[in-house]
Formats: sequence, structure tokens, C-alpha cells
Amino acid sequence: AQKITQTQPGMFVQEKEAVTLDCTYDTSDQSYGLFWYKQPSSGEMIFLIYQGSYDEQNATEGRYSLNFQKARKSANLVISASQLGDSAMYFCAMREPGGSYIPTFGRGTSLIVHP
Amino acid sequence: DAGVIQSPRHEVTEMGQEVTLRCKPISGHNSLFWYRQTMMRGLELLIYFNNNVPIDDSGMPEDRFSAKMPNASFSTLKIQPSEPRDSAVYFCASSLGRVGGAGELFFGEGSRLTVL
Repeated sequence: AQKITQTQPGMFVQEKEAVTLDCTYDTSDQSYGLFWYKQPSSGEMIFLIYQGSYDEQNATEGRYSLNFQKARKSANLVISASQLGDSAMYFCAMREPGGSYIPTFGRGTSLIVHP
Repeated sequence: DAGVIQSPRHEVTEMGQEVTLRCKPISGHNSLFWYRQTMMRGLELLIYFNNNVPIDDSGMPEDRFSAKMPNASFSTLKIQPSEPRDSAVYFCASSLGRVGGAGELFFGEGSRLTVL
């Protein structure tokens, strides 16, 4: 079974609009960490945001926020006020003690921001 | 502060040749990961070191692949002999534990390997 599921292979958004990228996860651990990464066309993997399973508040980092719904096991990334430079692949990942903290990545979602 | 440093950035070689990829993790980080990324298979974990000790190498494709971490500031991934299907981008990443859990990974810029 997949640990991390990203169901949207591709997403399109108009510049300045908000966009939500979906991520669901599967774990039986109580303590775990969720992460989002951005991979632009240049290829590097850039860490965006982290959510701990015990964090009561949704994580935010500038225009990025993580909509964490623990009961539904979802950790969606919300990008507000999209910019052309946000066009990239976005990967959701998880680290859990049951998996020896080995990071598990989803297959990614391609986001294209239109002017 | 310097990030994760990988070399070479690009490598083109012929089938059968030995390839060595190098990685310098962020100083103070205690975990190091080697990943391979292809269009077909996405991001695959090859091997994971914690405090310089290999913890999980189940992702290493076969005996042609080997990885070492002789000290906290250096790791290598070697492919011998290389084959065209090894063509991919190889990422090294390092991390430090967070309170209550494991920390985020910081990735190098990757080594793009092409085996002809």
C-alpha cells in the first residue's frame, strides 16, 4: 500500500489565485512528520513546510500553508497568491518511526501557473 | 551556510565504466540519504545512513551499487559496472532530528548521470 498518495498529476492555476495540492498518507504511528518539497525545472529539491503530527496549529511559511486534517490523514498544501515562479513539481513526504524514519515521498503534482 | 554539496553535477559515461558520485552533507546533520529519480519510478531511496552507519540499503538495486560514509562529512555512491538503465538524477540529502520526530531533508542539487 502506498504510504503517500498525491492524486493530482497536474494542476493549473491563474497567477494571483490560490491553489490546493492534495496529499493523503497512511500510518499507524501516533508521532510522525509531514513535509512538502518543491522541484522546479532546474531540478533541485527545495524544502517548503513541515507539520508534526502533534502540532495543533496548521503550519504556515509565507505563502505556503499546510491544511492538516489528522482524522482524514490528509496534509494538503495551500499556495496563496500564486506566482509564475511557483510552477514546479510538488512532493509530499512523511517520516514515521514505524518506517525507521525513512522518508517516503509521493509521486508528485505538477503545478503550472498561468499569467 | 553551505548546503548539501554533490559532485559531479553531470556525468556522461559509457556502459561498463565505474561511476563515483560524491556528497558532503550539512555540517552537524546526523542522517544522510541517497535517492535516485527517474520519470518512470519517481524518487527512490537507495540507502540511508545514520551517524555514518548504513541503516537501510534495501533500495540499492543490485551488487553493482555500493555506498560508503567513512566520516560525518563525506559519502560516496559507486556504480560498477554502469549500465544504461542507471541513467537518472542521483540526489544526496541530509537531515537532523527534530524534537518529537525526524527533521526535514535538505537536498543537494543532484548528479545527473547518463550512461551510453
